[in-house]
Amino acid sequence: QQPVQSPQAVILREGEDAVINCSSSKALYSVHWYRQKHGEAPVFLMILLKGGEQKGHEKISASFNEKKQQSSLYLTASQLSYSGTYFCGTEPGSSNTGKLIFGQGTTLQVKP
Amino acid sequence: DTAVSQTPKYLVTQMGNDKSIKCEQNLGHDTMYWYKQDSKKFLKIMFSYNNKELIINETVPNRFSPKSPDKAHLNLHINSLELGDSAVYFCASSRGVRQPQHFGDGTRLSIL
Repeated sequence: QQPVQSPQAVILREGEDAVINCSSSKALYSVHWYRQKHGEAPVFLMILLKGGEQKGHEKISASFNEKKQQSSLYLTASQLSYSGTYFCGTEPGSSNTGKLIFGQGTTLQVKP
Repeated sequence: DTAVSQTPKYLVTQMGNDKSIKCEQNLGHDTMYWYKQDSKKFLKIMFSYNNKELIINETVPNRFSPKSPDKAHLNLHINSLELGDSAVYFCASSRGVRQPQHFGDGTRLSIL
């Protein structure tokens, strides 16, 4: 079952903050976050394992609520380079193959 | 220096033809993947190999056949190409299962 991301698209001004949500109907082992710029490959941002931990990567951080099967990606003080499509990839708890099911993506545009 | 490299980058061919896409990684990873990304940017896992063993085999037409001659290479052969096969195919690798995935630049396949 494909996770659902929200919002589908967001437009920001430089310096503004954004939150992207990822919700699954299945119990999860982990959630991965990737960013893909137009015409390029997806690039790994971070992985959240079950346990409700929060991770950070410069001004980008994420949380994982295992009970609600939800993850959120937080982008603070956004920069032009943050523009792209953000995908969450969820790994079902029942899987031990590393299989990721990706959401439909959230397009983020940061304007000067 | 490229970590995950795919060839060719672009592939334009006629319906009914057979084609192959090659992927090589120099990261020393044990696990490799093939993904299909359609025109709506939906990213879907097709196959995965771990230490040359097929561990993920999603419901794809049997016209698609992966082959892993060694841990550093994963090729994708497609028989009798159809219009619906037009997409971007990404190869990825990871240190092991349940690890962050590194994507190649993609192969843009167009069927005429």
